[in-house]
Amino acid sequence: AQKITQTQPGMFVQEKEAVTLDCTYDTSDPSYGLFWYKQPSSGEMIFLIYQGSYDQQNATEGRYSLNFQKARKSANLVISASQLGDSAMYFCAMREFGGGADGLTFGKGTHLIIQP
Amino acid sequence: DVKVTQSSRYLVKRTGEKVFLECVQDMDHENMFWYRQDPGLGLRLIYFSYDVKMKEKGDIPEGYSVSREKKERFSLILESASTNQTSMYLCASSSQGQNIQYFGAGTRLSVL
Repeated sequence: AQKITQTQPGMFVQEKEAVTLDCTYDTSDPSYGLFWYKQPSSGEMIFLIYQGSYDQQNATEGRYSLNFQKARKSANLVISASQLGDSAMYFCAMREFGGGADGLTFGKGTHLIIQP
Repeated sequence: DVKVTQSSRYLVKRTGEKVFLECVQDMDHENMFWYRQDPGLGLRLIYFSYDVKMKEKGDIPEGYSVSREKKERFSLILESASTNQTSMYLCASSSQGQNIQYFGAGTRLSVL
């Protein structure tokens, strides 16, 4: 079973609109972290935002916020006031802290295109 | 700023060749990782390392090995490259106790 599911292969959004990128996850570990990365066409993975499973409040970083709904195992990324430079692939990822492995498990990504 | 540098952006190799992909980080991070990225599959972990001379298998280690002789450098080795190893390879590093992994720009490898 997939541990990270991103159901939107691609999205087209008008510039200046808000965007929600969906991510659901599956784990039995009570201690875990959720991440969002951006990958522009240049290829580099850029860290955007992090949410720990025990964090009480939703994480925010500038125009990025993470809508964390623990009971639903959902960690959607919200981008406010989208810009043309936001066009990229976006990946949701998880790390389970109880298993001992430090690697991240990634979803398949969402290709976001911002239209002028 | 954290800097993770992968020595090549593009590589073309022939089937059966031994291939070395090099990664260097400048932040004294303990942890280093190698992932491969394929369209529609996201990133998958090949190997990681907690410390010098330490290595752990990830989800897809078959056909790969790694070397970490110095803390700042983590090499991915394809002993005998095959066409199904044509992919984008991404290196990452993180500090012990920190959750965020920082990535290099990637190496796009084609095996002909």
